[in-house]
Amino acid sequence: EPEVTQTPSHQVTQMGQEVILRCVPISNHLYFYWYRQILGQKVEFLVSFYNNEISEKSEIFDDQFSVERPDGSNFTLKIRSTKLEDSAMYFCASRPGDQSQYFGPGTRLLVL
Amino acid sequence: EDQVTQSPEALRLQEGESSSLNCSYTVSGLRGLFWYRQDPGKGPEFLFTLYSAGEEKEKERLKATLTKKESFLHITAPKPEDSATYLCAGPDTGRRALTFGSGTRLQVQP
Repeated sequence: EPEVTQTPSHQVTQMGQEVILRCVPISNHLYFYWYRQILGQKVEFLVSFYNNEISEKSEIFDDQFSVERPDGSNFTLKIRSTKLEDSAMYFCASRPGDQSQYFGPGTRLLVL
Repeated sequence: EDQVTQSPEALRLQEGESSSLNCSYTVSGLRGLFWYRQDPGKGPEFLFTLYSAGEEKEKERLKATLTKKESFLHITAPKPEDSATYLCAGPDTGRRALTFGSGTRLQVQP
């Protein structure tokens, strides 16, 4: 069964460093998302991407964040200058034309 | 503000003891109500989508139902492997991103 994959599974970085989180959505899905989950808290929406551009973003997704689909399969989230409060699990999700979103296993980001 | 509220926060059951989890939502113009299962340290695993009041969907020991104001996830004769956090989510008004509830942590003891 096709699934969303994410790399790396864990990332430790120093405050102020740039990180890139990578995702391979399910092929033939049209919509792509990034969510995050701070330890013990709800899953929160960051950004959605459709037709090679951002379609929606939350208040969390400020100028430090960017997304890209550099080729036909990868979908990346970049955090330009990480802060301590960026430590969280980051989930990529994709969906076909209907509403059901399928999530990847996540990248655990720890900012020191 | 669109909100999804789940109860109880935590539930401990004995193996075979059936129960229900609740999700209430205040999303105007609901365009789908979603149930996910999340194991510790893992991503949410899609279970069900419900679109209209009266709709029901089943998968093994799980059955999801939807009314105009809330959804229930019924667990029949649960097994220890059903232990997980169950998340409810709905699309935000005006956009397709999901708003998640805080989840119900289910523990099924043998």
